[in-house]
Amino acid sequence: AQTVTQSQPEMSVQEAETVTLSCTYDTSESDYYLFWYKQPPSRQMILVIRQEAYKQQNATENRFSVNFQKAAKSFSLKISDSQLGDAAMYFCAYRSVYGNKLVFGAGTILRVKS
Amino acid sequence: GAGVSQSPSNKVTEKGKDVELRCDPISGHTALYWYRQSLGQGLEFLIYFQGNSAPDKSGLPSDRFSAERTGGSVSTLTIQRTQQEDSAVYLCASSTGENQPQHFGDGTRLSIL
Repeated sequence: AQTVTQSQPEMSVQEAETVTLSCTYDTSESDYYLFWYKQPPSRQMILVIRQEAYKQQNATENRFSVNFQKAAKSFSLKISDSQLGDAAMYFCAYRSVYGNKLVFGAGTILRVKS
Repeated sequence: GAGVSQSPSNKVTEKGKDVELRCDPISGHTALYWYRQSLGQGLEFLIYFQGNSAPDKSGLPSDRFSAERTGGSVSTLTIQRTQQEDSAVYLCASSTGENQPQHFGDGTRLSIL
């Protein structure tokens, strides 16, 4: 079974600075999808960024980018120019190409200081 | 509405009672998922629907849990004889099909007294 590990329960960043959230995963599959979701206090899970494992190029969405290291099974999220609205719980998630369910990490609480 | 809608937003009930949680997916989304988010277990998959059938119900924790989906749209998650360990946020998501991004609702916070 696949597992996802987020080793940072909590992170803090100063407004306008850059922060990196870590995620590692374990799988025997060669093709899969990886995601970062943001969950603000409203509880809604918001898709931040998605990476297909067969793509070597790291995904980027505006201020959000990933560092995908397939051999190391690492998938970190970099948030540039942090804003107060970025404060939330961030979840890393894995999905097999053969299934539909998301497997989530434990989450990282991100606090943004003004 | 434009997003996934879940009701009720919050539910408080006594141990032993049955509860029904509702999910209204984004219009046109054929795939629907239920997840549970609890303090002890994190985010766990419960069940996946494609249309009205559930090809993967491997995450349902016990036979007290059941779900159905009718008309390829609204889904209901039912928990019978609730226990305190059922207290959690129940999240619903939908997508346009397999291997497509999942869009989540705001969840139902269930508290068992």
